[in-house]
Amino acid sequence: QQQVKQSPQSLIVQKGGISIINCAYENTAFDYFPWYQQFPGKGPALLIAIRPDVSEKKEGRFTISFNKSAKQFSLHIMDSQPGDSATYFCAASGTSTGNQFYFGTGTSLTVIP
Amino acid sequence: GEEVAQTPKHLVRGEGQKAKLYCAPIKGHSYVFWYQQVLKNEFKFLISFQNENVFDETGMPKERFSAKCLPNSPCSLEIQATKLEDSAVYFCASSHRGGGSGNTIYFGEGSWLTVV
Repeated sequence: QQQVKQSPQSLIVQKGGISIINCAYENTAFDYFPWYQQFPGKGPALLIAIRPDVSEKKEGRFTISFNKSAKQFSLHIMDSQPGDSATYFCAASGTSTGNQFYFGTGTSLTVIP
Repeated sequence: GEEVAQTPKHLVRGEGQKAKLYCAPIKGHSYVFWYQQVLKNEFKFLISFQNENVFDETGMPKERFSAKCLPNSPCSLEIQATKLEDSAVYFCASSHRGGGSGNTIYFGEGSWLTVV
């Protein structure tokens, strides 16, 4: 079954707007939650990551919000730019879950100028 | 090297032919992962290695897929008797210490396999 559920599947945002992508997980043994950004024809690149001991992490325009009790985490892209148009994947992994990374199904983000 | 290097970038095979993909992990990384990405979406885990040892092979279709990571050689993923459904992008990723607790995996650019 899908270990990490991601929504929405696609997202269209106006330039300057806020893009929000949500993920949910079930396995409480996960202890690392990265987000990856993938452009067409390229491999996924790490964007930002969080561990469950903090509720928020911010790097520039990108913020992860983490809700441990709800087992949910989300990516917020502030002041979205056309260059942010890409597919975003959330992921989860845990030292006690076999070191495997489990990915969401991806969100295709389009930022309209 | 400083990045995960995958070859070839593109590969076309007729149904039933063999396909072999290669991956050189980032220098110093002990873990190598192979993922299959179909239709630009889901990442299907295939296999992982810790150095030259298979760590987790729960995702491997064993009847036609095999993989190796030998010392001083690129890792490889081989598909015998390819089928149309094997058409996908195959990503290799490497990690310093495996998943969890902040150990990030870094992806290569992928190998595009097209089976015709």
